[in-house]
Parts: sequence; C-alpha cells; structure tokens
Amino acid sequence: EIVLTQSPGTLSLSPGERATLSCRASQSVTSSSLAWYQQKPGQAGQPPRLLIYGASSRATGIPDRFRGSGSGTDFTLTISRLEPEDFAVYYCQQYASSPWTFGQGTKVEIK
Amino acid sequence: EVQLVQSGAEVKKPGESLKISCKGSGYSFTSYWIAWVRQMPGKGLEWMAMIYPGNSDTRYSPSLQGQVTISADKSTTTAYLQWSSLKASDTAMYYCARGGSFYDYWGQGILVTVSS
Repeated sequence: EIVLTQSPGTLSLSPGERATLSCRASQSVTSSSLAWYQQKPGQAGQPPRLLIYGASSRATGIPDRFRGSGSGTDFTLTISRLEPEDFAVYYCQQYASSPWTFGQGTKVEIK
Repeated sequence: EVQLVQSGAEVKKPGESLKISCKGSGYSFTSYWIAWVRQMPGKGLEWMAMIYPGNSDTRYSPSLQGQVTISADKSTTTAYLQWSSLKASDTAMYYCARGGSFYDYWGQGILVTVSS
C-alpha cells in the first residue's frame, strides 16, 4: 500500500502568515489522485472537510487562499494567509491505489 | 442538500456484536460509493471499506478484511458497518463519507466505545 508521510507534524504560525504543508508518498500517486482535508480538533465528532482533490482542484466553497500543488510523490498544501478558522489538523489522502490511505496529519496551531 | 446522518453513540462489551448506520439523502444513493473511515482516539484517519449501493460491490482494507462487514439497503438509502465480535481496540469514531475516491460529504460520526 502507498504510505503517505506528512511534514511537519506541527506548524506554529500566526494569523496572516503563510503555511506550507508537505505530503510525500512512498510510491508515485498516479493521475494526481491526491486530496487534502481539514479537521477541527477539540470538537467531538467533527468530520473532516474536503479542501482539495486531484492534487490542485479546490472543492466547492473552499477559499482561494488554499492551494494544492505537486505530482508523483511530492505534494504540497499552501494556505496563503492564515485566518483564525484555519488552525486545525490537515490530512492528505491518496486514491490512486487501493487501499486508499491517509497521511498522519499536520497540526497547524496558533503561535 | 446532501446529507449523511449516522446513528447514535454506542457502548458495548468485548465480544458483542454491533451494526452502525449511515443514511444518505439529497442525492442519488445508488450512484455514489459510501465509505467508512475510522479515527481511533487521538489518532488520524483510516480508510476501512466502501460499498457501491447500486450493485453492492464492496472493497475492504486488507488490514480489516474479515473483521467488519459493510452493506447497504437501497430501499432505505442506508449503509451499514457491522462487527460480529467487538474488541477493545475497536473503540473509535467512525465516519461514513460519500465517494469512491475522495470524499466530499461526511456523516457526523459515531463514537463506539468497547469496554468491559
């Protein structure tokens, strides 16, 4: 199975700063079959929210400060200017090869 | 409006059986895969299984194959995940989600606690 490794584990930033999150795959993710999700911590049962699919396509209603890029084995989620509501945990997910797998997550916390 | 509404929290003992549900509405239930995703306490997301209600085609994570069963009822637009014998390690939040690749709509989650 494809293992996704996200880095860093935690990112401490201030509102207004730029966040760069990495997702590296153990083998090539064909057809850019990679998605990003946001999950707000500390709230019981808060489901993930789809941000990006196809490595770079924003999901419906997602602000353009969220940008996905990359191909092959290296993918990046960039949040251009952090808003207070962006502090959360972010997961990447590949759907190129079964079983679909998620990265372990990157927590973006307020500095 | 697309909605996935999951059944309520469960508290069970090891060895007991359980079936949890996810009711889809606001879209063509038989035209989209439904997946189950596990999140153990304080941990990340884990894809478990998925079903295509249109023809009941199923896929399982190799690590969970044989431990859970996924099913769907087209007449009630409901997907299910069931266990025949729970273990303490099954304690987790379980989400259903729509899609066969990425997941655009998610249920609210079901907390399953297995404890003696």
